[in-house]
Amino acid sequence: DVKVTQSSRYLVKRTGEKVFLECVQDMDHENMFWYRQDPGLGLRLIYFSYDVKMKEKGDIPEGYSVSREKKERFSLILESASTNQTSMYLCASSILGMIREKLFFGSGTQLSVL
Amino acid sequence: GESVGLHLPTLSVQEGDNSIINCAYSNSASDYFIWYKQESGKGPQFIIDIRSNMDKRQGQRVTVLLNKTVKHLSLQIAATQPGDSAVYFCAESPQGGSYIPTFGRGTSLIVHP
Repeated sequence: DVKVTQSSRYLVKRTGEKVFLECVQDMDHENMFWYRQDPGLGLRLIYFSYDVKMKEKGDIPEGYSVSREKKERFSLILESASTNQTSMYLCASSILGMIREKLFFGSGTQLSVL
Repeated sequence: GESVGLHLPTLSVQEGDNSIINCAYSNSASDYFIWYKQESGKGPQFIIDIRSNMDKRQGQRVTVLLNKTVKHLSLQIAATQPGDSAVYFCAESPQGGSYIPTFGRGTSLIVHP
């Protein structure tokens, strides 16, 4: 089974801190994604990557950046955390050529910015 | 079904009943649709998909119906079980462009024993 692992289940940070959310997948998938999930708003795409060192903006990239130095790892960076970035963050991966099909998700990181 | 606003639509059913979760999609160019199930404390998990050249697709205890005329998608769960309690998301994906799927807001299914 595909495993997508997010490094932290819960994270509490202070306003202005630089925050790193890490995600690792073990199935050699080319595509990786970062979503944020807020109650009643569903999943909104922040960034995605279809290859090492490649990144594309999603629907809500403002305030975020990403890094993909290795195929299996995709990091989400909050340069200066703000309270409106308190949310559940979900990482996902999928196979090249199937970018829209069957995303495999991690269990999420609940980030609280105080 | 899925709708505008910040409140998560909720569907409550009795164990053993059939459940129908609805989803209205917005993009006429969408030609691929997926249903995901998200249990408490977990990430969403793929349930079933359907392409626009089909009206119906069946899986194990689940059926997805697609009505392209009114841009409506539904997920039917037969003989609903307590383990089906979760938030269900539909996702639509357009032909062309980035192909990245857009997720709906979700529907919470509560199954009462």
